[in-house]
This record gives sequence, structure tokens and C-alpha cells, in this order.
Amino acid sequence: DAMVIQNPRYQVTQFGKPVTLSCSQTLNHNVMYWYQQKSSQAPKLLFHYYDKDFNNEADTPDNFQSRRPNTSFCFLDIRSPGLGDAAMYLCATSRDVSYEQYFGPGTRLTVT
Amino acid sequence: GQQVMQIPQYQHVQEGEDFTTYCNSSTTLSNIQWYKQRPGGHPVFLIQLVKSGEVKKQKRLTFQFGEAKKNSSLHITATQTTDVGTYFCVMDTGRRALTFGSGTRLQVQP
Repeated sequence: DAMVIQNPRYQVTQFGKPVTLSCSQTLNHNVMYWYQQKSSQAPKLLFHYYDKDFNNEADTPDNFQSRRPNTSFCFLDIRSPGLGDAAMYLCATSRDVSYEQYFGPGTRLTVT
Repeated sequence: GQQVMQIPQYQHVQEGEDFTTYCNSSTTLSNIQWYKQRPGGHPVFLIQLVKSGEVKKQKRLTFQFGEAKKNSSLHITATQTTDVGTYFCVMDTGRRALTFGSGTRLQVQP
């Protein structure tokens, strides 16, 4: 039973063309996170939601936005993807910010 | 700001050998978590350490939290090929979302 679902698993977009990645959870967790992970690197936190409260990391580019319309869903919007934004995007959830995180399988984004 | 070091960056061992990865923080931690990410997979939670000097075991894995709550280690006894992957420590200072360490990639030669 999938608990954190990410769609699509693979996404190809063109340089500068807006793209949205989605994440849903069946755990009813308060916190949802978006991470960017490039090859051979650690996941880099972009932002997280605690319920409806949005928390942006200081070094997250303005090009990255997020929406959480309800407890179950969270979206990552990349307004104008550049070649440097090609990466694996991981969604995670947790009951609270100090609790274990449950990761989805990720969406691999390719920018052409 | 908080600095995190995880060493080694990479370790290649023969199956049956032991393996240890270390995580060091410049600031005192509220707690520390460990995750494993298999090649092509996503991070999976292994354990959380909260108390100063805490030691926890999971089969062949032993996790330690330093007395000063600034460092932690993960030790694998008698590695197996199923242990292959990248091990991340994830640090909680109690003030913000958790911070991933740089990771240690483990390769096990059969």
C-alpha cells in the first residue's frame, strides 16, 4: 500500500516551460516536504509545509513554488525550468518536523 | 550556520568486513536520524537517536549518539551485498526542519 505517491515518476519539460510535480499521502501527516536531489548528492530541502504554514529554505530559488491545497496533496511548481533544475525531486511526509520522514519514490525531471 | 560533516564519503569493503560511517555537527543536536538510500531508490528511515550516549541495535547495525549530542555513528558488522547504498545522517537542532548530512556511499564486493 503506497503511502507517499508521486506523479509522474518521470517528467520531461522544455527549457523555460512551467512544470508541476505532484505528491499525495495517505498517512494524514502534518508535514510535507519537497527535496531536490542531484546525482551523488544528498537531498536538498527546498521547502516544507506544516499544515498550511509554508516554510521556505533561504537558498531556494524564487523559480520554485509550492501549493498545499489540503492535507493529502502538495505540489511543486517550477515556473521557468533551467538545465540546472534537472534532478530527482523527492516528496516526504512526517507527523511532525522531528519525526521520521516517509519518502515517495521521486519524480525524475529532465529539462531539454 | 550549522555545519555537518559525514565521513567517509565513500567506502568499498569486501563482503563480511565491517563498516562505519560518522556524522559530526558543529552544534548540539536535539536528535539524529539515519536513513538508507539504495541505488535508484528513495531514502528509507532506519532509526532515531534522542538521548545523550544512546546506543541502539538493529540486527547487524549499531547506532550511537555522542555524549555531547554533536556526533553519531552507524556501524555495520559483517557487511552483506544487501547493505549496498548511501547512508545519510539527518540532524535536528530543534529549530527548523531536519538537515541531511552529505552521505556515505557503501559498496560491498561479494
